[in-house]
This record gives sequence, structure tokens and C-alpha cells, in this order.
Amino acid sequence: KAGVTQTPRYLIKTRGQQVTLSCSPISGHRSVSWYQQTPGQGLQFLFEYFSETQRNKGNFPGRFSGRQFSNSRSEMNVSTLELGDSALYLCASSLPGQGYDDEAFFGQGTRLTVV
Amino acid sequence: GDSVTQMEGPVTLSEEAFLTINCTYTATGYPSLFWYVQYPGEGLQLLLKATKADDKGSNKGFEATYRKETTSFHLEKGSVQVSDSAVYFCALSDRISGTYKYIFGTGTRLKVLA
Repeated sequence: KAGVTQTPRYLIKTRGQQVTLSCSPISGHRSVSWYQQTPGQGLQFLFEYFSETQRNKGNFPGRFSGRQFSNSRSEMNVSTLELGDSALYLCASSLPGQGYDDEAFFGQGTRLTVV
Repeated sequence: GDSVTQMEGPVTLSEEAFLTINCTYTATGYPSLFWYVQYPGEGLQLLLKATKADDKGSNKGFEATYRKETTSFHLEKGSVQVSDSAVYFCALSDRISGTYKYIFGTGTRLKVLA
């Protein structure tokens, strides 16, 4: 079956702009999480959605937001981009509500560069 | 809060050498533990997992045992190959504290020389 699909793979944006990243989870997966990966901070949790509801949020400013649609696809939005937002953004999906030890399947990520 | 600490890299080994990557954790509840691997230009792939104390996860020759007494989950492989060169992440998912997130270590880059 198809894996987690993230689009686009690469993005270049200018400071102050906003950006929307998309994630299509594995069919049947209802939990979608987002992570930011940078060389300095490593992998940091942004938020997690389950059945269109945000269940948990990491320690990021309000410029970072997300949503999940009824088909479990998810988007994250970053407004007023800053140079420090340059990172690899990873999306992960997991099985519906089985518990915390579900395997998370990761997409290849979207590489965002802010100039 | 919960945290994962893993050894600094990079780790450089010759082919067929023994690999250990140390990982320790701090958690308030009863976490599940994972090792993920990231190849260049790719996302993360689950390598192995363990969901309770004394469980051993294994896959592709890699092993790790959930040691509650030492709060550790060290990754081992008896004989590494060049194709094992990647970045390895230790992670936990805490089920009691009500979180639905993974907490990752900083990653350890492994380079295997032919």
C-alpha cells in the first residue's frame, strides 16, 4: 500500500511569507503528527491530529498551525516565515487509536528553505 | 519532562565490526521505546521497538532490550555493513502521561567503511 506522502518535497520562501505543507497518511491511518527537523534542535514535535481534532501540541509559536480533514489528510501552515523556520518538516501517520506504541510511518519530508 | 539521550556521533566503524549505540531515557509513565533509522534524503523508518520492560526488539540483525532498571535501550548489531550507514534515532512514546507524541534523541550518525 502507498506510504505517507508529503508535498511538496522542496520549497523556497521569502521571510514574511506564509507556507502550507500537505501530508497524506497511509490509508486507514487516522493519526497524523508533524515534526520539525533541524541540525541544531534535532526532531521536535509540532502537533498531532486524530479524527480532525488536535490532541497535542508542541512548544512552537502560534505562527505554526495545522488541521486535519475528514479523509485524514493533514496540512500545516507557517505564517510570517522567519529564517529559523528553515528545516525538514516530517509528517507521520499511525493506526487508529490503538495506543501510544503504534508504529509511526514517516513521509520523506518537505525541505523548507527561508531566504 | 520526558527526554531521550543518545550517544554523540559520528560513529565510524569498519565493515563487520560490532556496533553499540547507547540510549537512555527519562519518562514519568510507562513508555514504549523505538529505534528509527534515517538514510540520506529520506524520512525515518522504524527499525525496532519494545513496549514493556525486558522486551527485546530485533530487525535486520539489530537488537535492543528495554531495561527499566537502567532506563536504557541500547542498539546493537554484531556485524555492520556499509549499507548500515545512516543516522539512528532513539525515541519514546509515553502512554500514561496522555501524550500522543514521540520524543526523539538527537540522532547518531553511523559511517561504515569497507
